[in-house]
Amino acid sequence: GAVVSQHPSWVICKSGTSVKIECRSLDFQATTMFWYRQFPKQSLMLMATSNEGSKATYEQGVEKDKFLINHASLTLSTLTVTSAHPEDSSFYICSASHRGRDTQYFGPGTRLTVL
Amino acid sequence: DQQVKQNSPSLSVQEGRISILNCDYTNSMFDYFLWYKKYPAEGPTFLISISSIKDKNEDGRFTVFLNKSAKHLSLHIVPSQPGDSAVYFCAAKGAAGNKLTFGGGTRVLVKP
Repeated sequence: GAVVSQHPSWVICKSGTSVKIECRSLDFQATTMFWYRQFPKQSLMLMATSNEGSKATYEQGVEKDKFLINHASLTLSTLTVTSAHPEDSSFYICSASHRGRDTQYFGPGTRLTVL
Repeated sequence: DQQVKQNSPSLSVQEGRISILNCDYTNSMFDYFLWYKKYPAEGPTFLISISSIKDKNEDGRFTVFLNKSAKHLSLHIVPSQPGDSAVYFCAAKGAAGNKLTFGGGTRVLVKP
């Protein structure tokens, strides 16, 4: 149990385009989903927290207009990187947790490369 | 300000021996701690967790110890296996909210 999927697993795009990444909880209802970013040889940095049906809470320094997060259902959250630039190239990972549970379960990640 | 630190960036251990990974934290409001294992280009996999009301939790080959007074936790893997070679992250959660704060990770290499 507690399986989280992400799609796509990797994406290459041109600078200035937008990219959407999906995160799904496959066998449980995720009341909260989290989006992280990991640069090479660094730790996971939380970007934002989203609760189903409400607006996401962004961490300091993360532009909410650039990284659009939608958590429309208990099994799906999306992250859209708008007007992507090469410095947005990174490994994006989502996680999900169930109401009342402390453990987060992570997706496999999405490698974004912006040319 | 790094609230969760893993001071050893890497660890090498012989197969069959014990691996001990350490993690220190500074925020006394953290009340729940987790260890994750991560392979390159994959998401972290949950290994084991411990609540601040306990000082030890064991699950198979994995045991986590928590010393609240020292703000220190450790993960013991015994016996270590080559498949345990990965990066291990400790993470901490505060009583308010459910955000996780991650340490920098420790890369473990288990030699056959």
